Amino acid sequence: KNEVEQSPQNLTAQEGEFITINCSYSVGISALHWLQQHPGGGIVSLFMLSSGKKKHGRLIATINIQEKHSSLHITASHPRDSAVYICAVFGGETSGSRLTFGEGTQLTVNP
Amino acid sequence: NAGVMQNPRHLVRRRGQEARLRCSPMKGHSHVYWYRQLPEEGLKFMVYLQKENIIDESGMPKERFSAEFPKEGPSILRIQQVVRGDSAAYFCASSPQAGGYTFGSGTRLTVV
Repeated sequence: KNEVEQSPQNLTAQEGEFITINCSYSVGISALHWLQQHPGGGIVSLFMLSSGKKKHGRLIATINIQEKHSSLHITASHPRDSAVYICAVFGGETSGSRLTFGEGTQLTVNP
Repeated sequence: NAGVMQNPRHLVRRRGQEARLRCSPMKGHSHVYWYRQLPEEGLKFMVYLQKENIIDESGMPKERFSAEFPKEGPSILRIQQVVRGDSAAYFCASSPQAGGYTFGSGTRLTVV
């Protein structure tokens, strides 16, 4: 079993829909990142969370440390949101300061 | 602030050649990480370096791969005698301290 599990693996939505991507992890961590990767492109860090909730524009990220679960929400989705979203954790007992990644969620937003 | 600079963006090597991938961290960042993304797979940790020190190389293949982060200049990931299975995207990330990552745009290595 992977230390970091994301769901769903693939998600297709219509423009304007509210989107949720989930991430569960099985180890103790210091913090969690949500990353975005466009096809053939680089990786952008959207959020780093260690507790609670953060908001940036149409993106909202939450984390529940006790339940070892985080969610990324996109409100009023747009085709330009189409990308792979990756959950990554660090600060675990075995991983230290390096990131351990989920497999990613491929999001496609249709116009 | 130019961010994390990786070069080249694309690199083509014939089997048996050497590949050198460079990463210049953000100004003020002393921690550098290399990650590899194989085709259709997720990102995997390779190595963590600070200036002149390898802190954690537990993700590096035992042979042909090496990394350095000298006192002056960029961090280098070196792959000797490349094979087709080395074809991947290699990402560098830097942080001022553990946790606040900024990623580079990656180097796409193709071995022909």
